[in-house]
Amino acid sequence: DTEVTQTPKHLVMGMTNKKSLKCEQHMGHRAMYWYKQKAKKPPELMFVYSYEKLSINESVPSRFSPECPNSSLLNLHLHALQPEDSALYLCASSQADRGKTQYFGPGTRLLVL
Amino acid sequence: GQQVMQIPQYQHVQEGEDFTTYCNSSTTLSNIQWYKQRPGGHPVFLIQLVKSGEVKKQKRLTFQFGEAKKNSSLHITATQTTDVGTYFCAGYPTSGTYKYIFGTGTRLKVLA
Repeated sequence: DTEVTQTPKHLVMGMTNKKSLKCEQHMGHRAMYWYKQKAKKPPELMFVYSYEKLSINESVPSRFSPECPNSSLLNLHLHALQPEDSALYLCASSQADRGKTQYFGPGTRLLVL
Repeated sequence: GQQVMQIPQYQHVQEGEDFTTYCNSSTTLSNIQWYKQRPGGHPVFLIQLVKSGEVKKQKRLTFQFGEAKKNSSLHITATQTTDVGTYFCAGYPTSGTYKYIFGTGTRLKVLA
């Protein structure tokens, strides 16, 4: 089973809202990732968690706040977003964070008004 | 910075024609992965190549990793309408960073 699940599938939020994206995997993977993908562009890495600790933050603005409550779950807390943050947010997981295959979830399509 | 370029950016083919996309890295790679993303979908893992000069086949898809481990290709024989989507390569550099560098992607359209 190589399934990564993400909720919600779609999200519309105002610039003053607070919302959270959720990601879950039950493959025993110890690395989890958040990517942002704009239309017709490749995924851009935002954060990497390895063994539940944040190992990479790609200089992401603080209005995006990741959280890894346990090895199966990954959250992305959103606050005071801008319209340009509208994108597809993809979660991925892998056995480890060094060159292992990443499996992507279906993503959350976010629209910021 | 480290970059991975893909060519072509777009390709329209008639159903039944062959298709190839090329991936070129500015730095030597430990491995390279290929993903397919259907319109409105998410990247789906296709294959990982690790060895210099490696060639792997999946039905009509043939993947190659260059001898210098800086380039790769994906070739599709006799395309079908189900092959439509964007194909991304993602390379893992041997040094300098602990993350995959995604290629720019090749968008394939197959005309029936």
